Amino acid sequence: GAGVSQSPSNKVTEKGKDVELRCDPISGHTALYWYRQSLGQGLEFLIYFQGNSAPDKSGLPSDRFSAERTGGSVSTLTIQRTQQEDSAVYLCASSKDRGREQYFGPGTRLTVT
Amino acid sequence: AQSVTQPDIHITVSEGASLELRCNYSYGATPYLFWYVQSPGQGLQLLLKYFSGDTLVQGIKGFEAEFKRSQSSFNLRKPSVHWSDAAEYFCAVGADTGGFKTIFGAGTRLFVKA
Repeated sequence: GAGVSQSPSNKVTEKGKDVELRCDPISGHTALYWYRQSLGQGLEFLIYFQGNSAPDKSGLPSDRFSAERTGGSVSTLTIQRTQQEDSAVYLCASSKDRGREQYFGPGTRLTVT
Repeated sequence: AQSVTQPDIHITVSEGASLELRCNYSYGATPYLFWYVQSPGQGLQLLLKYFSGDTLVQGIKGFEAEFKRSQSSFNLRKPSVHWSDAAEYFCAVGADTGGFKTIFGAGTRLFVKA
Protein backbone atom coordinates (compact mmCIF):
# COMPACT_ATOMS: atom_id res chain seq x y z
CA GLY A 1 0.00 0.00 0.00
CA ALA A 2 0.93 3.64 -0.13
CA GLY A 3 3.46 4.80 2.40
CA VAL A 4 4.11 8.20 3.86
CA SER A 5 4.80 10.77 1.21
CA GLN A 6 6.41 14.17 1.53
CA SER A 7 6.71 17.08 -0.82
CA PRO A 8 8.74 18.66 -2.10
CA SER A 9 11.67 16.26 -1.95
CA ASN A 10 14.09 19.16 -2.20
CA LYS A 11 13.61 22.84 -1.49
CA VAL A 12 16.14 25.60 -1.93
CA THR A 13 15.10 28.97 -0.57
CA GLU A 14 16.64 32.29 0.21
CA LYS A 15 17.18 33.42 3.75
CA GLY A 16 14.14 35.27 5.03
CA LYS A 17 11.61 33.51 2.82
CA ASP A 18 8.79 31.33 4.14
CA VAL A 19 8.52 27.65 3.21
CA GLU A 20 5.81 25.03 3.51
CA LEU A 21 6.56 21.34 3.72
CA ARG A 22 3.82 18.80 3.19
CA CYS A 23 3.27 15.34 4.61
CA ASP A 24 0.69 12.79 3.53
CA PRO A 25 0.51 10.05 6.16
CA ILE A 26 -0.69 6.53 5.71
CA SER A 27 -4.46 6.46 5.55
CA GLY A 28 -6.05 5.73 8.90
CA HIS A 29 -2.98 6.53 10.97
CA THR A 30 -3.95 8.66 13.92
CA ALA A 31 -0.47 9.80 14.95
CA LEU A 32 1.80 12.05 12.93
CA TYR A 33 5.27 13.27 13.84
CA TRP A 34 7.67 15.82 12.36
CA TYR A 35 11.41 15.53 12.91
CA ARG A 36 14.45 17.40 11.74
CA GLN A 37 17.73 15.72 10.90
CA SER A 38 20.85 17.73 10.27
CA LEU A 39 23.73 16.17 8.34
CA GLY A 40 25.16 13.24 10.25
CA GLN A 41 22.96 13.89 13.24
CA GLY A 42 20.11 12.12 14.97
CA LEU A 43 16.41 12.87 14.93
CA GLU A 44 15.28 16.12 16.48
CA PHE A 45 11.61 15.94 17.47
CA LEU A 46 9.57 18.92 16.33
CA ILE A 47 5.85 18.29 16.77
CA TYR A 48 3.40 15.42 17.36
CA PHE A 49 -0.26 15.13 16.41
CA GLN A 50 -2.43 12.43 17.98
CA GLY A 51 -6.00 12.15 16.80
CA ASN A 52 -8.06 15.15 17.79
CA SER A 53 -5.88 16.04 20.76
CA ALA A 54 -3.98 19.28 20.96
CA PRO A 55 -0.59 18.79 19.28
CA ASP A 56 2.59 18.45 21.29
CA LYS A 57 4.63 21.41 20.09
CA SER A 58 7.37 21.07 22.65
CA GLY A 59 10.08 20.44 20.06
CA LEU A 60 9.54 23.45 17.84
CA PRO A 61 12.80 25.42 18.02
CA SER A 62 11.28 28.89 17.66
CA ASP A 63 8.03 30.67 16.93
CA ARG A 64 9.05 30.77 13.26
CA PHE A 65 8.02 27.11 13.10
CA SER A 66 4.41 26.00 13.02
CA ALA A 67 2.46 23.01 11.83
CA GLU A 68 -1.08 21.99 11.27
CA ARG A 69 -2.89 18.82 10.45
CA THR A 70 -6.10 19.19 8.55
CA GLY A 71 -8.92 16.69 8.86
CA GLY A 72 -6.69 14.30 10.74
CA SER A 73 -4.74 13.57 7.60
CA VAL A 74 -2.38 15.84 5.65
CA SER A 75 0.04 17.95 7.64
CA THR A 76 1.94 21.08 6.71
CA LEU A 77 5.06 22.32 8.46
CA THR A 78 5.65 26.02 7.91
CA ILE A 79 8.91 27.82 8.55
CA GLN A 80 8.73 31.59 8.42
CA ARG A 81 11.67 33.90 7.74
CA THR A 82 14.01 30.97 7.11
CA GLN A 83 17.54 31.09 8.46
CA GLN A 84 20.61 29.17 7.30
CA GLU A 85 20.51 27.05 10.44
CA ASP A 86 17.13 25.74 9.30
CA SER A 87 18.90 23.80 6.53
CA ALA A 88 18.27 20.11 7.23
CA VAL A 89 16.19 17.13 6.19
CA TYR A 90 12.67 17.33 7.55
CA LEU A 91 11.12 13.94 8.15
CA CYS A 92 7.49 13.08 8.68
CA ALA A 93 6.27 9.84 10.20
CA SER A 94 2.89 8.37 10.96
CA SER A 95 1.75 5.51 13.14
CA LYS A 96 -1.47 3.59 13.46
CA ASP A 97 -1.96 4.55 17.06
CA ARG A 98 -0.32 6.14 20.04
CA GLY A 99 3.11 4.68 20.77
CA ARG A 100 3.13 2.24 17.86
CA GLU A 101 5.79 1.82 15.22
CA GLN A 102 6.34 4.79 12.97
CA TYR A 103 6.51 4.75 9.21
CA PHE A 104 8.74 7.43 7.81
CA GLY A 105 8.49 9.43 4.65
CA PRO A 106 11.52 10.04 2.43
CA GLY A 107 11.99 13.52 3.82
CA THR A 108 12.30 17.02 2.43
CA ARG A 109 15.81 18.38 2.12
CA LEU A 110 15.69 22.10 2.85
CA THR A 111 18.59 24.31 1.89
CA VAL A 112 18.55 27.96 2.93
CA THR A 113 20.99 30.11 0.98
CA ALA B 1 11.68 11.80 32.81
CA GLN B 2 11.58 9.24 30.05
CA SER B 3 14.80 8.80 28.11
CA VAL B 4 16.63 6.54 25.69
CA THR B 5 20.39 6.11 25.74
CA GLN B 6 22.54 4.57 23.07
CA PRO B 7 25.96 4.60 24.71
CA ASP B 8 27.98 3.99 21.57
CA ILE B 9 28.16 6.81 19.05
CA HIS B 10 29.86 4.55 16.54
CA ILE B 11 31.00 0.94 16.35
CA THR B 12 33.27 -0.82 13.88
CA VAL B 13 33.04 -4.56 13.29
CA SER B 14 34.58 -6.87 10.76
CA GLU B 15 32.39 -8.46 8.15
CA GLY B 16 31.21 -11.82 9.41
CA ALA B 17 31.67 -10.89 13.05
CA SER B 18 28.82 -10.68 15.53
CA LEU B 19 27.23 -7.39 16.50
CA GLU B 20 25.52 -6.01 19.57
CA LEU B 21 24.22 -2.45 19.76
CA ARG B 22 23.20 -1.23 23.17
CA CYS B 23 20.03 0.60 24.12
CA ASN B 24 18.94 1.58 27.62
CA TYR B 25 15.72 3.36 28.49
CA SER B 26 14.12 5.03 31.42
CA TYR B 27 10.36 4.63 31.77
CA GLY B 28 8.05 3.82 34.67
CA ALA B 29 6.29 0.89 33.07
CA THR B 30 6.90 -1.57 30.26
CA PRO B 31 7.28 0.49 27.12
CA TYR B 32 6.99 -0.33 23.48
CA LEU B 33 10.50 -0.72 22.07
CA PHE B 34 11.79 -0.34 18.56
CA TRP B 35 14.92 -0.44 16.46
CA TYR B 36 15.14 1.49 13.21
CA VAL B 37 17.89 1.55 10.60
CA GLN B 38 18.89 4.38 8.30
CA SER B 39 21.21 3.34 5.50
CA PRO B 40 23.33 6.04 3.84
CA GLY B 41 21.09 8.34 1.84
CA GLN B 42 18.03 6.29 2.72
CA GLY B 43 14.99 6.77 4.89
CA LEU B 44 14.35 5.19 8.25
CA GLN B 45 13.11 1.62 8.24
CA LEU B 46 11.71 -0.39 11.13
CA LEU B 47 13.92 -3.38 11.99
CA LEU B 48 11.90 -4.86 14.81
CA LYS B 49 9.53 -4.04 17.65
CA TYR B 50 8.57 -5.28 21.10
CA PHE B 51 5.16 -4.74 22.64
CA SER B 52 4.71 -7.66 25.02
CA GLY B 53 5.21 -11.39 25.33
CA ASP B 54 8.38 -13.16 24.28
CA THR B 55 11.28 -10.93 25.24
CA LEU B 56 13.40 -12.07 22.30
CA VAL B 57 12.09 -10.59 19.09
CA GLN B 58 13.16 -11.29 15.56
CA GLY B 59 13.31 -8.64 12.90
CA ILE B 60 14.21 -8.19 9.30
CA LYS B 61 17.66 -8.68 7.80
CA GLY B 62 18.61 -11.29 10.40
CA PHE B 63 18.48 -8.92 13.38
CA GLU B 64 17.10 -9.75 16.80
CA ALA B 65 16.72 -7.87 20.06
CA GLU B 66 16.14 -8.89 23.63
CA PHE B 67 14.11 -6.95 26.18
CA LYS B 68 15.59 -7.21 29.65
CA ARG B 69 13.30 -5.54 32.16
CA SER B 70 15.77 -5.82 35.03
CA GLN B 71 18.39 -3.92 33.04
CA SER B 72 15.99 -1.57 31.22
CA SER B 73 17.71 -2.61 28.04
CA PHE B 74 16.75 -3.59 24.52
CA ASN B 75 19.99 -4.50 22.78
CA LEU B 76 20.13 -5.29 19.09
CA ARG B 77 22.13 -8.27 17.88
CA LYS B 78 23.17 -9.95 14.69
CA PRO B 79 25.28 -13.11 14.56
CA SER B 80 27.15 -12.28 11.35
CA VAL B 81 27.41 -8.78 9.96
CA HIS B 82 27.38 -8.05 6.24
CA TRP B 83 28.95 -5.03 4.60
CA SER B 84 25.45 -3.83 3.68
CA ASP B 85 24.61 -3.50 7.37
CA ALA B 86 26.73 -0.36 7.59
CA ALA B 87 24.21 2.27 8.62
CA GLU B 88 22.87 4.37 11.48
CA TYR B 89 20.76 2.51 14.01
CA PHE B 90 18.21 4.18 16.24
CA CYS B 91 16.52 2.73 19.31
CA ALA B 92 13.13 4.18 20.26
CA VAL B 93 10.70 3.96 23.15
CA GLY B 94 6.94 4.42 22.88
CA ALA B 95 3.96 3.94 25.15
CA ASP B 96 0.20 3.76 24.90
CA THR B 97 -0.16 6.49 27.46
CA GLY B 98 -1.67 9.89 27.05
CA GLY B 99 0.93 12.61 26.92
CA PHE B 100 3.83 10.29 26.10
CA LYS B 101 5.43 10.63 22.71
CA THR B 102 7.89 8.20 21.19
CA ILE B 103 11.48 9.07 22.02
CA PHE B 104 14.46 8.22 19.84
CA GLY B 105 17.99 7.60 20.96
CA ALA B 106 20.85 9.58 19.46
CA GLY B 107 21.79 6.70 17.19
CA THR B 108 24.78 4.41 16.73
CA ARG B 109 26.67 4.47 13.47
CA LEU B 110 27.91 1.04 12.41
CA PHE B 111 31.00 0.73 10.24
CA VAL B 112 31.82 -2.64 8.68
CA LYS B 113 35.36 -3.40 7.65
CA ALA B 114 36.34 -6.05 5.16
